Amino acid sequence: GNSVTQMEGPVTLSEEAFLTINCTYTATGYPSLFWYVQYPGEGLQLLLKATKADDKGSNKGFEATYRKETTSFHLEKGSVQVSDSAVYFCALRSGGSYIPTFGRGTSLIVHP
Amino acid sequence: DAGVTQSPTHLIKTRGQHVTLRCSPISGHKSVSWYQQVLGQGPQFIFQYYEKEERGRGNFPDRFSARQFPNYSSELNVNALLLGDSALYLCASSTGTGANTGELFFGEGSRLTVL
Repeated sequence: GNSVTQMEGPVTLSEEAFLTINCTYTATGYPSLFWYVQYPGEGLQLLLKATKADDKGSNKGFEATYRKETTSFHLEKGSVQVSDSAVYFCALRSGGSYIPTFGRGTSLIVHP
Repeated sequence: DAGVTQSPTHLIKTRGQHVTLRCSPISGHKSVSWYQQVLGQGPQFIFQYYEKEERGRGNFPDRFSARQFPNYSSELNVNALLLGDSALYLCASSTGTGANTGELFFGEGSRLTVL
């Protein structure tokens, strides 16, 4: 079956630090990969996506590259801000299924 | 434009009671999906409805049911509440269904606490 594994949080960084949140997956077929963000008290928002191998998704300074050989989709940002503090979820959709499989989420805390 | 709206935002129930959660999708969206997010976990799929018909069901007991109305709004019902039903219940709307579901837009959720 499909599964998504994310690094344990919380990740605590100072403002302007470099961010990496690891995500690996197992899936049937050729999945589409997603990162969602959940700010405190809000629902999930799609942050970026990639639909095929070697695609790079990017948005708001965040980026992630679909690596089929390592089954990974790590989220990166060069310089985080306090406003990036949130929970980040890696997810996949595979095999024509419309139902996304989510990881457990990684909490990011950015200090001034 | 209004996003996905859910009500109530917070509620407390006791074991054995029943709860109804409501969701209004984005205007023009005909599909509504429900997810359960237990603290510290990712969302788990419960149901998808499209054009008032159930199009998908996750691995949840029959105590969970849902329906969609002609205006595409939806209700999630949970009977005989258990402590383990305490969670954030998320509604997501989208334009299509199945392989054409498209992007999911989530509401802020209804946080249910069962005592």
